[in-house]
Amino acid sequence: GAVVSQHPSWVICKSGTSVKIECRSLDFQATTMFWYRQFPKQSLMLMATSNEGSKATYEQGVEKDKFLINHASLTLSTLTVTSAHPEDSSFYICSASIGQGGTYGYTFGSGTRLTVV
Amino acid sequence: GENVEQHPSTLSVQEGDSAVIKCTYSDSASNYFPWYKQELGKRPQLIIDIRSNVGEKKDQRIAVTLNKTAKHFSLHITETQPEDSAVYFCAASGGSGYSTLTFGKGTMLLVSP
Repeated sequence: GAVVSQHPSWVICKSGTSVKIECRSLDFQATTMFWYRQFPKQSLMLMATSNEGSKATYEQGVEKDKFLINHASLTLSTLTVTSAHPEDSSFYICSASIGQGGTYGYTFGSGTRLTVV
Repeated sequence: GENVEQHPSTLSVQEGDSAVIKCTYSDSASNYFPWYKQELGKRPQLIIDIRSNVGEKKDQRIAVTLNKTAKHFSLHITETQPEDSAVYFCAASGGSGYSTLTFGKGTMLLVSP
């Protein structure tokens, strides 16, 4: 149980275009969704935290106008990378807490490899 | 916010040896400490976790120990196998950041046959 489905698994886009990444919770309600970015050989860095029906909270240094997060329902959260540039190329992973405050742990999407050319 | 330090960054062992990875955390209110194994290009996979009301937890070849006073926790893998080769991340949550999961920088474990 507690599966998060993330799409697409990989995407190549041209510089200046926008890309949307979707994460859906399949068998539970994801009240809180976390979005991470992972550069090669580095750790998962938290970009933002979103709660259903509220504006996302962004980590310091993450441009909220560039990385648009929408969490309009308990089963869907999206991350849109606007005006993508090559430096945005990375592995993006969503994660949902299971239970209030992650009482039962966390589940991760399968990740999206974004390449901006 | 929470800060998690992880050591070593790389660890090479021979098959059958034990491997130990150590992490320290800064927020004394953190109460959940998972360990993840990540293979290249894939999602992190939970291998074991521990909560602050427990000092040690074991699952077959994998064990985690927690020292709340010193604010450090460790992953122990015994009888390592080549398929254990991967990047391992420790994490912490439940402190002032509530449910936010903060990761260590990772340890690349290489098990040689």
